Amino acid sequence: EDQVTQSPEALRLQEGESSSLNCSYTVSGLRGLFWYRQDPGKGPEFLFTLYSAGEEKEKERLKATLTKKESFLHITAPKPEDSATYLCAVQAPSYDKVIFGPGTSLSVIP
Amino acid sequence: NAGVTQTPKFQVLKTGQSMTLQCAQDMNHNSMYWYRQDPGMGLRLIYYSASEGTTDKGEVPNGYNVSRLNKREFSLRLESAAPSQTSVYFCAGGERTASGNTIYFGEGSWLTVV
Repeated sequence: EDQVTQSPEALRLQEGESSSLNCSYTVSGLRGLFWYRQDPGKGPEFLFTLYSAGEEKEKERLKATLTKKESFLHITAPKPEDSATYLCAVQAPSYDKVIFGPGTSLSVIP
Repeated sequence: NAGVTQTPKFQVLKTGQSMTLQCAQDMNHNSMYWYRQDPGMGLRLIYYSASEGTTDKGEVPNGYNVSRLNKREFSLRLESAAPSQTSVYFCAGGERTASGNTIYFGEGSWLTVV
């Protein structure tokens, strides 16, 4: 069964304290892995798509990386406005389903 | 989240009542999705539509029906609402390519069943 897990469940960082969020997946033939940001009361906002092991994508203070079994979202020198829930999702090749992990709630303290 | 519009944004239903959540996208995407989001459960796929005229069950389809009215619109119907269907519902649209399918979400619909 295709599955996505994320860790940690919650993370508190001081402003400027870099860290990483983990997304582990089991899927038969990964077509794509996605990262989203979700603010309270809002819909998820698309950040990155990664397609193959070794691929990296960057956007401002965020960098996403992908291996054959997991993805990391690295946050460098975070700011309070980076506080949000970060969601990971995967898609297998045989269908259009996109399956989400439970998310990591990030709080950045000034 | 511009491009995917959901209505209503908030709704309170009594157990046994029926209602339809409406979704429209103006991004010309082939695929559309309905998810529900519950505390501690994450986003769970209810139904999806890979293209106009097709629909398929996701992880949690029981108690729901969908209609892909045309390429733009994908509605979710609760025939007899139950308290377990209290949730936040998100509609999304996506474009399938050879490399994957990035999906874009609406702002959500908050549904309470009492």
